[in-house]
Amino acid sequence: VVLTQSPGTLSLSPGERATLSCRVSQTVNYNYLAWYQQRPGQAPRLLIYDTSKRPSGIPDRFSGSGAGTDFSLTISRLEPEDFAVYYCQQYSSSPTFGQGTTVEIK
Amino acid sequence: EEQLVQSGGGVVRPGGSLRLSCEASGFTFRDYAMSWVRQRPGKGLEWVADINWNGGTTSYGDSVTGRFTISRDNAKNSLYLQMDSLRVEDTAFYFCVRDPMLRGYIDVWGRGTLVTVS
Repeated sequence: VVLTQSPGTLSLSPGERATLSCRVSQTVNYNYLAWYQQRPGQAPRLLIYDTSKRPSGIPDRFSGSGAGTDFSLTISRLEPEDFAVYYCQQYSSSPTFGQGTTVEIK
Repeated sequence: EEQLVQSGGGVVRPGGSLRLSCEASGFTFRDYAMSWVRQRPGKGLEWVADINWNGGTTSYGDSVTGRFTISRDNAKNSLYLQMDSLRVEDTAFYFCVRDPMLRGYIDVWGRGTLVTVS
């Protein structure tokens, strides 16, 4: 299963809204899609699972949505620490990841 | 605090072997499936292997099947990855991860250990 994330790079300013897309080559069953954030030199961190659920400790400015083959991650107002790389992952079948979207400071 | 502390990375020649270890703390290790995920330098993420709570079920990514072996010791709260017949393309950061669903999302990550095959 191939996950295609777009755009490859998103250039935004702090306080702006970010919308990241993840398109999956096959239907994702049970909304089994997750999003991760990776800052430079760090391990990824789980932001969203089951398409729209936030683990404890994840700020509510992060939200996920979608169904079928099209999913998105929205960051309502970018904080300085949100500039990072974001990956989507499907686990409806053997787990696979997207190639990542870089959110950079404009 | 839930933690995964990794050890065992390093430099190895093509065809060589290496064993990665991961010690868990802050949660009941035997209650969870565990996995290894890797990231080639500057690249994306790749699922490598996973194991269920008691070690009775394992699975592997196509690129490592037959060369890597995942195992666990619940008495020692530890996860392992035995890597044999290493190839240059196995060079990557290897992350030990907690996998609540077995082959699902990852909710706890180790810091990663670099394996260089050269």
